[in-house]
Amino acid sequence: SAVISQKPSRDICQRGTSLTIQCQVDSQVTMMFWYRQQPGQSLTLIATANQGSEATYESGFVIDKFPISRPNLTFSTLTVSNMSPEDSSIYLCSGSGQGGNTIYFGEGSWLTVV
Amino acid sequence: GQQVMQIPQYQHVQEGEDFTTYCNSSTTLSNIQWYKQRPGGHPVFLIQLVKSGEVKKQKRLTFQFGEAKKNSSLHITATQTTDVGTYFCGASYDKVIFGPGTSLSVIP
Repeated sequence: SAVISQKPSRDICQRGTSLTIQCQVDSQVTMMFWYRQQPGQSLTLIATANQGSEATYESGFVIDKFPISRPNLTFSTLTVSNMSPEDSSIYLCSGSGQGGNTIYFGEGSWLTVV
Repeated sequence: GQQVMQIPQYQHVQEGEDFTTYCNSSTTLSNIQWYKQRPGGHPVFLIQLVKSGEVKKQKRLTFQFGEAKKNSSLHITATQTTDVGTYFCGASYDKVIFGPGTSLSVIP
């Protein structure tokens, strides 16, 4: 399985601030995704991180709120901008490899906005 | 749009009892995946099913993919306390959409 490292693992953030989450994957990963998991909920796809170009966002998510970068094949960042308590959630970096779309997850970034 | 339903939402069983969770898609899938998330943890990939009618086993876990490739099930035989967690199906369309999950608790 792919190795996916994510940081920070946990943070408490002030309302109105922004936080950038970093994700590093190993070379087996070709596609990278960002998911959100709100407390007690399932996983919701935020966007597909595209190497060297703008991310592909799902309905309900916009670039101004969740800017994503993927400057190379193995690294991506997600910024949660102008945070509010409703953004308190787990943010999960994930990836899939060649020949299939099995999703492997990082350990998640647990954000609490106060 | 594509919808993934999963039932039951919660299941409480005595240790040693069996457990089954069901996943249903509104449209035909290319494949389906199952994940387990322990309390406080992140989702961990369990298995992927690709073929119509496919059945796969992992020790006490049995996974089935329906003939029409629209539904799937996960069955655990003789549950143990280590089985506690939430089980998600991930339905593959052009992207992976996750079901709402079934939260399993096992009473020792």
